[in-house]
Amino acid sequence: TQLLEQSPQFLSIQEGENLTVYCNSSSVFSSLQWYRQEPGEGPVLLVTVVTGGEVKKLKRLTFQFGDARKDSSLHITAAQPGDTGLYLCAGAFAKTSYDKVIFGPGTSLSVIP
Amino acid sequence: NAGVTQTPKFRILKIGQSMTLQCAQDMNHNYMYWYRQDPGMGLKLIYYSVGAGITDKGEVPNGYNVSRSTTEDFPLRLELAAPSQTSVYFCASSYSPGPPGAIYNSPLHFGNGTRLTVT
Repeated sequence: TQLLEQSPQFLSIQEGENLTVYCNSSSVFSSLQWYRQEPGEGPVLLVTVVTGGEVKKLKRLTFQFGDARKDSSLHITAAQPGDTGLYLCAGAFAKTSYDKVIFGPGTSLSVIP
Repeated sequence: NAGVTQTPKFRILKIGQSMTLQCAQDMNHNYMYWYRQDPGMGLKLIYYSVGAGITDKGEVPNGYNVSRSTTEDFPLRLELAAPSQTSVYFCASSYSPGPPGAIYNSPLHFGNGTRLTVT
């Protein structure tokens, strides 16, 4: 069974702090996506990384794909209450269909004003 | 443009009852998916469809059925509900990845979910 692990499972920080969450697997992915899910809503795509070592920035969020394409990290600078939510990573084993995508269990982030 | 719409938002079923979860999208996406989300377990794919009239099983299809008679609609049927089917169900859609064949060109669009409790 292919697994995608995320750490930490829960994170509670003060507004303005920095944080990093991790997504790890023993499998190699063709691409990896990060989603954010707010309570009572569906996940919303933040970014897709494709190339090993790739770094993408989305305002205060920095995403990195590991060189071996087995892991990824999400770093948030100066966290704000609006960053609160469940962060999910999803790894794709094939390029052509989401039936070959697995989701991690998520990191639940709470940013306290 | 409503995106992906799921109904109902909440439902309580007794063991052995049946129900249909509705999903509709207005983005003309070919691909549609049903996932379930359980605490600490991530999203698991139940069924998916690559176009009207075509459906296929995902990772956890047992106890569920789907149909895809139109591009817009992808209902999920639960027959003989069991407590193990207590979960939050999400419908999603995407464009066909197509050549050059990369899902990163075709992100998933999710609905807001149906919270189902079977008692």
